Amino acid sequence: GAVVSQHPSWVICKSGTSVKIECRSLDFQATTMFWYRQFPKQSLMLMATSNEGSKATYEQGVEKDKFLINHASLTLSTLTVTSAHPEDSSFYICSARILAGDSYEQYFGPGTRLTVT
Amino acid sequence: GQNIDQPTEMTATEGAIVQINCTYQTSGFNGLFWYQQHAGEAPTFLSYNVLDGLEEKGRFSSFLSRSKGYSYLLLKELQMKDSASYLCAVMDSNYQLIWGAGTKLIIKP
Repeated sequence: GAVVSQHPSWVICKSGTSVKIECRSLDFQATTMFWYRQFPKQSLMLMATSNEGSKATYEQGVEKDKFLINHASLTLSTLTVTSAHPEDSSFYICSARILAGDSYEQYFGPGTRLTVT
Repeated sequence: GQNIDQPTEMTATEGAIVQINCTYQTSGFNGLFWYQQHAGEAPTFLSYNVLDGLEEKGRFSSFLSRSKGYSYLLLKELQMKDSASYLCAVMDSNYQLIWGAGTKLIIKP
């Protein structure tokens, strides 16, 4: 099956610094990638949708200047959390979508746990 | 390697009961999640099991057997709006989520 990877899987950073999270589709090209934030035992909160080569579309309430998303190729999207604060500590999950026949298939990454101290 | 298996697609009738199975092989275990995802929407959290047994939440119940590497999601009194994909995900010893491919549930009147 299709595999989505994320790097790093776990990162600890100091308040005020920036951290970049990579999301890669390993064996397929994803037309669209999604970034989610997961709170414990809660649903995944969609942060933004990105299409290769174009600007990401952010959900209401998500600061685009704080969560920079770059979708440089059909297999790579990055999320940069700028000037991180402790409240940004969370589990970030990316997902890649491909068109399979006349329907879409979506695959999820393993997540990146960010802890801001 | 790590893997999660769940059926690709299931069909059930409105008002009936359906059980979606999930078997897993992972390096360590820190809980199993079930999510519901309607087309074009973000996954919605349904349940989290970390201990063996059945957890009931309204029409939905989730069961876990850690010794068997097995879980199921039970949906009762099916409604048309229950047509969706159901994702099983296990958190491994590194607190990484291992995702199943999802089960597409089709509800017929």
